[in-house]
Amino acid sequence: EVQLVESGGGLVKPGGSLRLSCAASGFTFSSYSMNWVRQAPGKGLEWVSFSSSSSSYIYYAGSVKGRFTISRDNAKNSLYLQMNSLRAEDTAVYYCARDPGGGPSEFDYWGQGTLVTVSS
Amino acid sequence: QLVLTQSPSASASLGASVKLTCTLSSGHSSYAIAWHQEQPEKGPRYLMKLNSDGSHSKGDGIPDRFSGSSSGAERYLTISSLQSEDEADYYCQTWGTGIVVFGGGTKLTVL
Repeated sequence: EVQLVESGGGLVKPGGSLRLSCAASGFTFSSYSMNWVRQAPGKGLEWVSFSSSSSSYIYYAGSVKGRFTISRDNAKNSLYLQMNSLRAEDTAVYYCARDPGGGPSEFDYWGQGTLVTVSS
Repeated sequence: QLVLTQSPSASASLGASVKLTCTLSSGHSSYAIAWHQEQPEKGPRYLMKLNSDGSHSKGDGIPDRFSGSSSGAERYLTISSLQSEDEADYYCQTWGTGIVVFGGGTKLTVL
């Protein structure tokens, strides 16, 4: 069974940093691209970042480029999102999602999410 | 610019059928999309990938009541024999080189 479990969310002050993790199981993690997606309270889904299976291709949404860094450790079956210079508008539930394509494609499995709150 | 447009809300009666629409922006009518369901207090769930020719492949365990179709730049999700648990937000998603886009979502109410 495919499982994606996010962790690392919490309350952080504006300008602060946080690192999210996504633990994957039930599939060969190193063969799949992965993504981070977020959902602000009461809002829709917003794509954040993409990493190909070997990290050769990495993409970011304009709203986070230069502040967020996606990475992965295929030996640990884990995906990460380092978030720096956090703003109030980064407050959201953050999901990791599996992507079966070599480049961005459909997201065929999602985690349950971890809440990030940016507030003073 | 790659954009997906969805109606904010839809409603249909228990046991009936409903057809949700996702419209691709001009110049992108050949793009495939994916449909996702988000039930209250749950994370999103992948329903299917839908190609421009209407062919689609569903996610694991998705009932036959869910089907997809396409016409030009429009992509449709049809849910038949509506059940109470189908009351949820439905998002379409598409992608290109270096970009992923979600529609604004349609909130489906089952009456």
